[in-house]
Amino acid sequence: DVKVTQSSRYLVKRTGEKVFLECVQDMDHENMFWYRQDPGLGLRLIYFSYDVKMKEKGDIPEGYSVSREKKERFSLILESASTNQTSMYLCASSLGTGGSYEQYFGPGTRLTVT
Amino acid sequence: AQKVTQAQTEISVVEKEDVTLDCVYETRDTTYYLFWYKQPPSGELVFLIRRNSFDEQNEISGRYSWNFQKSTSSFNFTITASQVVDSAVYFCALSELGQGGSEKLVFGKGTKLTVNP
Repeated sequence: DVKVTQSSRYLVKRTGEKVFLECVQDMDHENMFWYRQDPGLGLRLIYFSYDVKMKEKGDIPEGYSVSREKKERFSLILESASTNQTSMYLCASSLGTGGSYEQYFGPGTRLTVT
Repeated sequence: AQKVTQAQTEISVVEKEDVTLDCVYETRDTTYYLFWYKQPPSGELVFLIRRNSFDEQNEISGRYSWNFQKSTSSFNFTITASQVVDSAVYFCALSELGQGGSEKLVFGKGTKLTVNP
């Protein structure tokens, strides 16, 4: 079974703090993704990575950056957290390129910025 | 750009009723993939099905069935004899090609299904 884990289920941070959300997958997947989920807006893609050290902006990258130094780990960074970044953050991974592979999701991190 | 529309925001049914969740998509690609995911109250999205654009056969898996119609750009999901455990948010998604041949997904906003006992 594919397993995608996220470092925290719940996180509370203060405005202006630097926040790291970590995601690890154990199935040697090429692609990894970060989404945020907000009521009424569905899932919106923040960033994704199709290889180590490679990244591509999604639909809402502003205020976020990412890091992928190892294949299994994909980090989402909020350089200076703001209250409008309070949300559920979902990480996902998929097998490879060229075909269309389903994404496997982690349990999510509910981030509150106060 | 790709777009997925799930017009039904919320649906409420009584157990054992059949229910259909609608999904309409827009794409200019000739090859594409469609997906359905389930998000139960626990929060983790669970993959249900993938269908490619060249395969218009309907699919049935137990109480779940999917109807793919290219002519109307729809990929609807039906649950037969619904159960309380089917209560969840259901997302339809469409593949979109990114850099390096990678594919990302465009999600609809989801339909929240509540099955009452």
